Amino acid sequence: RKEVEQDPGPFNVPEGATVAFNCTYSNSASQSFFWYRQDCRKEPKLLMSVYSSGNEDGRFTAQLNRASQYISLLIRDSKLSDSATYLCVVNEANTGKLIFGQGTTLQVKP
Amino acid sequence: NAGVMQNPRHLVRRRGQEARLRCSPMKGHSHVYWYRQLPEEGLKFMVYLQKENIIDESGMPKERFSAEFPKEGPSILRIQQVVRGDSAAYFCASSPGGGQFGIQYFGAGTRLSVL
Repeated sequence: RKEVEQDPGPFNVPEGATVAFNCTYSNSASQSFFWYRQDCRKEPKLLMSVYSSGNEDGRFTAQLNRASQYISLLIRDSKLSDSATYLCVVNEANTGKLIFGQGTTLQVKP
Repeated sequence: NAGVMQNPRHLVRRRGQEARLRCSPMKGHSHVYWYRQLPEEGLKFMVYLQKENIIDESGMPKERFSAEFPKEGPSILRIQQVVRGDSAAYFCASSPGGGQFGIQYFGAGTRLSVL
């Protein structure tokens, strides 16, 4: 079983749509959680941290369920510029090691 | 304030040659991380370094790969006797430390092609 699993997609949605990505992780000792974004094999960039209480940043909402070891990202009112690969990332026990999922590809069409 | 700088951006080597990848962290960052992204795969952790110390090398292949972060100068990822399977994008990241390990800033990567 992979340490961090994501549906690779691709998700093809029209502009303005709401889209949700899911991710599961295998290590219950994992301590911090993130969504990163990667464009066309460029460098990953932090999108947002994920907290158990849920957190929102503009059109983006992230949620963590520790009991189910499940992380989600919701994007509302999709823009063309949201087209990218979204990486679910887990940090175990506050080490320097980030564990990346394979990524979910989003394509927003006009 | 320059971000994480990696060079070269592209590197071509023949089988058996050595590859040296360099990474200068963001100003004020003392923690450096190296990741590898094979074609069509996710990023995989390789090594975590602080100045003059290797903190975690659990993701480094046992042979041919080494990394350093000297007191002065950039961090270096060195691959000896490269093979075709080493062809990948190698990303370096840095962080200021202080417990915020998950928030890492990535360089643009070095794309290594082994002929």
